[in-house]
Amino acid sequence: TQLLEQSPQFLSIQEGENLTVYCNSSSVFSSLQWYRQEPGEGPVLLVTVVTGGEVKKLKRLTFQFGDARKDSSLHITAAQPGDTGLYLCASRYALNFGKGTSLLVTP
Amino acid sequence: DVKVTQSSRYLVKRTGEKVFLECVQDMDHENMFWYRQDPGLGLRLIYFSYDVKMKEKGDIPEGYSVSREKKERFSLILESASTNQTSMYLCASGLASSYEQYFGPGTRLTVT
Repeated sequence: TQLLEQSPQFLSIQEGENLTVYCNSSSVFSSLQWYRQEPGEGPVLLVTVVTGGEVKKLKRLTFQFGDARKDSSLHITAAQPGDTGLYLCASRYALNFGKGTSLLVTP
Repeated sequence: DVKVTQSSRYLVKRTGEKVFLECVQDMDHENMFWYRQDPGLGLRLIYFSYDVKMKEKGDIPEGYSVSREKKERFSLILESASTNQTSMYLCASGLASSYEQYFGPGTRLTVT
């Protein structure tokens, strides 16, 4: 089982700030997904990254896959209260999930 | 849009009861999954299925069983519910050719 470490565990910021959260593994990812989960709901897929060095953008969210495919980051620009939620990374076939970063954005 | 539905959003059962959690997807996905989610432990895979009548154990199958008689439906069964099975249960589905999963809204199960 591939272990995924996410950091930070919790993050509380004000609206308009930028932030970055991380997902790391000791072994190489074949691919990686990022999900966002709102309280009381199931996770929703945001993006899949496959190629080392890949960068994908989804509006104010920027996802990067490390060159060695052992780490990934999610950067949010000008965070909004609607970005509040639990951000999860998952490895191939999403059989392994990190414990997530819980983000709170206050107005 | 992919839709994954779960039979109940909230469920309260007594210790020792047999509990059925139903999951239905409408996108003809081959893969279906059951997870539980607990604070501090994250999502943990209970069982998954790659095809009708096929099942594979995940990381924490003890105390659970599953059934997949039809492609669109994947059921999780707690043979004799215990208090340590109080949790949020999440079902997901996905294509065999894809890494992506689509989740239902979850069932919050309380066993008293």
